Amino acid sequence: SQQGEEDPQALSIQEGENATMNCSYKTSINNLQWYRQNSGRGLVHLILIRSNEREKHSGRLRVTLDTSKKSSSLLITASRAADTASYFCATGPNSGGYQKVTFGTGTKLQVIP
Amino acid sequence: NAGVTQTPKFQVLKTGQSMTLQCAQDMNHEYMSWYRQDPGMGLRLIHYSVGAGITDQGEVPNGYNVSRSTTEDFPLRLLSAAPSQTSVYFCASSPDRTGRSIQYFGAGTRLSVL
Repeated sequence: SQQGEEDPQALSIQEGENATMNCSYKTSINNLQWYRQNSGRGLVHLILIRSNEREKHSGRLRVTLDTSKKSSSLLITASRAADTASYFCATGPNSGGYQKVTFGTGTKLQVIP
Repeated sequence: NAGVTQTPKFQVLKTGQSMTLQCAQDMNHEYMSWYRQDPGMGLRLIHYSVGAGITDQGEVPNGYNVSRSTTEDFPLRLLSAAPSQTSVYFCASSPDRTGRSIQYFGAGTRLSVL
């Protein structure tokens, strides 16, 4: 079963607007990661936030993590047409040892020029 | 530094045929993994490895075999292909053998089983 579930499934915005997508997960985690996938390509890592962090920034990306609600959000500010892609969250259980990293179903973002 | 290389990029098989999807990385990563991606399902973990000679099952291992004889290579074998294995397959590697760190992905293999 999927550990992470993103919403919305699809999002369409105008260039320059902000885009927010959310991820909910089920079990205790060590960290949560966000990835981007352009059409027909492999996934590219965007940002990693640890379970003891609440917010992290990277350029136009802002990620928040609420472990009490088992949720995370990814905010892309001042979106560009090049941000059009699918975005996935990835989590791994905090059970020690080796982790089985699992991915959510993704949010498909379309940025209209 | 090529990163993670997957071959072939595309493959068409008939039901019952066998084949091996190749994955190689040149970053000396111990952790490697295979995922399949189906529409509306996201990525699902098939098998993973934490070093040469060590492999374990993921979420959907049935119908797939793996081995890890070297740090660089992690091939995925389909012993008897079925239409349900039509999917896009991604290989990934990570510098953290626990799998908790960033994963680097290959470009994928699109497989169709007729």
